[in-house]
Amino acid sequence: SYVLTQPPSVSVAPGQTATITCGGNNIGGKSVHWYQQKPGQAPVVVIYYDSDRPSGIPERFSASNSGNTATLTISRVEAGDEADYYCQVWDTSDHVVFGGGTRLTVL
Amino acid sequence: ELQLVESGGGLVKPGGSLRLSCTASGFTLSDHNMNWVRQAPGKGLEWVSSISRSGNYIYYADSMKGRFTISRDNAKNSLYLQMNTLRPEDTAVYFCARVSGSYDYFDNWGQGTLVTVSS
Repeated sequence: SYVLTQPPSVSVAPGQTATITCGGNNIGGKSVHWYQQKPGQAPVVVIYYDSDRPSGIPERFSASNSGNTATLTISRVEAGDEADYYCQVWDTSDHVVFGGGTRLTVL
Repeated sequence: ELQLVESGGGLVKPGGSLRLSCTASGFTLSDHNMNWVRQAPGKGLEWVSSISRSGNYIYYADSMKGRFTISRDNAKNSLYLQMNTLRPEDTAVYFCARVSGSYDYFDNWGQGTLVTVSS
């Protein structure tokens, strides 16, 4: 089965840029979606189809996908961005695959 | 207002059964593929199952196949998950999630219902 690998944690100071990676075999050939989940809440999509932002998501959130790595970038990080972030794809057998999640800590 | 509300969670003994429901409001359920996703305490998201708009196409994660059954009643705007032969490792918050009408990402989630499997 397809596996997505994320770093367990990323720490960044306010105002700096956070980069969260999602590794998978030829993930560049798939569409990657990113979700933000805050404690006690349901996930919310922040990026869909590799790099598109839903309405209401700040422009500070951007993403790319190429080769074996998809990347979520959060610019000018704010305290409110502290959350768990998950990447997600559909594999070839119509199964959903989530990455293990990355906890973003704002120092 | 678009809303997904799960219900049916609770405490069940190992080997027992439980049926979860997800009631949709603010949109027409039959316009969307639907999924169940779970999250064990302190752990990440784990996909459980998906069902197409009409219910004709159904998929399960390997660890749930044969024990869980997803279904839907579009007339009642409801999604279900029948869970049998429950194990302690099935303990989790279970979310229902709507697939975007135009794309294949989860654009709306319920708040989840907690299932605890313990003797």
